[in-house]
Amino acid sequence: SQQGEEDPQALSIQEGENATMNCSYKTSINNLQWYRQNSGRGLVHLILIRSNEREKHSGRLRVTLDTSKKSSSLLITASRAADTASYFCATVRDSNYQLIWGAGTKLIIKP
Amino acid sequence: KAGVTQTPRYLIKTRGQQVTLSCSPISGHRSVSWYQQTPGQGLQFLFEYFSETQRNKGNFPGRFSGRQFSNSRSEMNVSTLELGDSALYLCASSLGLRTSTDTQYFGPGTRLTVL
Repeated sequence: SQQGEEDPQALSIQEGENATMNCSYKTSINNLQWYRQNSGRGLVHLILIRSNEREKHSGRLRVTLDTSKKSSSLLITASRAADTASYFCATVRDSNYQLIWGAGTKLIIKP
Repeated sequence: KAGVTQTPRYLIKTRGQQVTLSCSPISGHRSVSWYQQTPGQGLQFLFEYFSETQRNKGNFPGRFSGRQFSNSRSEMNVSTLELGDSALYLCASSLGLRTSTDTQYFGPGTRLTVL
């Protein structure tokens, strides 16, 4: 069963704009992770945010975590064509340390 | 450093056969996890190994098995293949004790087609 649900399922924006994707989950977590997958580079780990953290940055990526709302968001600033990919959130519970994946958001950056 | 490698990259089998997939982690990584990705079910965790021991197992039937060798290389085996086993099988490795609490590095995957 999928713990995380991404929203929206698909997103199409112009190059240079910001893209925001959201992830909601159901049970308490140890950490939440964001991944990118495209045909060129496969599945790539972007950011891991632990349950006691609220925000993390990596280059043009910003991830927030709100454990009270059981939700996370991934912001990509100044998008580029190379950001076109599917983005997945995955949660890890303390109870079993298994990665439970969402269905993903398909992001298309138009030149 | 070489990345995670998986062999073979593509495989076609028929129902009832068995298959073995191989994964070589990044040098120095001792944790390896396997995932199945299908259009219908998405990404699902199969199992995780550390130092030749299975530390965690997902909700898959016993036809799915795996092992890890002393050099951290891992194999997964699927016996009595079913059409629904057609999927992209991904392997990931990490430096820490658990792949799920550490940065994971994924291989390109093995695309298995069951006819």
